[in-house]
Amino acid sequence: ETGVTQTPRHLVMGMTNKKSLKCEQHLGHNAMYWYKQSAKKPLELMFVYNFKEQTENNSVPSRFSPECPNSSHLFLHLHTLQPEDSALYLCASSQDSGGALETQYFGPGTRLLVL
Amino acid sequence: AQKITQTQPGMFVQEKEAVTLDCTYDTSDPSYGLFWYKQPSSGEMIFLIYQGSYDQQNATEGRYSLNFQKARKSANLVISASQLGDSAMYFCAMRVGYGGSQGNLIFGKGTKLSVKP
Repeated sequence: ETGVTQTPRHLVMGMTNKKSLKCEQHLGHNAMYWYKQSAKKPLELMFVYNFKEQTENNSVPSRFSPECPNSSHLFLHLHTLQPEDSALYLCASSQDSGGALETQYFGPGTRLLVL
Repeated sequence: AQKITQTQPGMFVQEKEAVTLDCTYDTSDPSYGLFWYKQPSSGEMIFLIYQGSYDQQNATEGRYSLNFQKARKSANLVISASQLGDSAMYFCAMRVGYGGSQGNLIFGKGTKLSVKP
């Protein structure tokens, strides 16, 4: 495996379900990110982790709960979601989270549909 | 406020021709990075090219070049010799400085490029 991988690629869940999205990076990076991409809206940063520590929570509702057990893995735990949470969820990584020079590399995303 | 503006919702180009995708940005921070990403229908965001605010020369990467005009705050992407596989959404993005806004990659709304055979 190379780059940034995400599983599952597609997910359909009811509003009462609990599910988790998984992201793994094989680039030796120290920073990982969760983004949300809704239809016709720019990408929205959700969470930033640097060396396993959360450094940014962009006012994300508590029904989204991130977990970063190590620098290579990032999870997004989902519970009691709303239909408006349906979107493409993208994971990214970079060498570290500081500075304008850091390029972020993205995974293929998880397309989430909440019924 | 930091902002990225892409004014072209959609663009068409004939195969083998060059195309320019527009991007303007707004920031008061002297240190920033500008990025272009390609997003095919599969969803993956593919990094194409990067330009730093202090770079003296325009960035180039294969068929991609970035026309960086600092005074006009523009960072247009030029794709030469378009190929059918270039059909995708293209996003311009910016990261600013160090410190408090760590991780904040600001994206534009994107331009959908369609390459015609």
